[in-house]
Amino acid sequence: EAQVTQNPRYLITVTGKKLTVTCSQNMNHEYMSWYRQDPGLGLRQIYYSMNVEVTDKGDVPEGYKVSRKEKRNFPLILESPSPNQTSLYFCASSYDGRADNEQFFGPGTRLTVL
Amino acid sequence: GENVEQHPSTLSVQEGDSAVIKCTYSDSASNYFPWYKQELGKRPQLIIDIRSNVGEKKDQRIAVTLNKTAKHFSLHITETQPEDSAVYFCAASMWRDDKIIFGKGTRLHILP
Repeated sequence: EAQVTQNPRYLITVTGKKLTVTCSQNMNHEYMSWYRQDPGLGLRQIYYSMNVEVTDKGDVPEGYKVSRKEKRNFPLILESPSPNQTSLYFCASSYDGRADNEQFFGPGTRLTVL
Repeated sequence: GENVEQHPSTLSVQEGDSAVIKCTYSDSASNYFPWYKQELGKRPQLIIDIRSNVGEKKDQRIAVTLNKTAKHFSLHITETQPEDSAVYFCAASMWRDDKIIFGKGTRLHILP
């Protein structure tokens, strides 16, 4: 089944404790992206990647890191999480190495930073 | 950079009536305008999209119109049904930039 998966789905952590949220897709998509969703603010793009070893900042990259060592995986790293990073996070992928195609979203990761 | 404004933030319509959600964008170079539907507790999913070389696109009860001159695009849902209740997001992107900018979303309630 073609899909985007994320792990964990739920995470409660404390300020400053490094964490990684994994994202994987099995559709051989080139473009992958991370978003955060907050009430009243919609979906905001954090980082995106057009292909392996190619990553770039979205609109809200501060406090986040990403890597794209393999085509299928695009982990999101929070080196020192803070309470303002409490949010619902979505990973997404699309066919071409560009943004102007349908985004396939993962199921989401709800992160709480205490 | 690109900015996308979406209105209204909340919309309630009687079942069977039509619903219209509007978005404006700021960068005339944007060329792709998708609409995503997010049901409660679920992930966003594409319902319809339009590219800048087309003025209107229809898929059963859903249609999207694009006015490039005014830089706005709209989602039209006709004969609304209870399952249309969800949050709808518009977005804009341009191939040269590879970013995607979403609107803040519209919560649509279909009233019985």
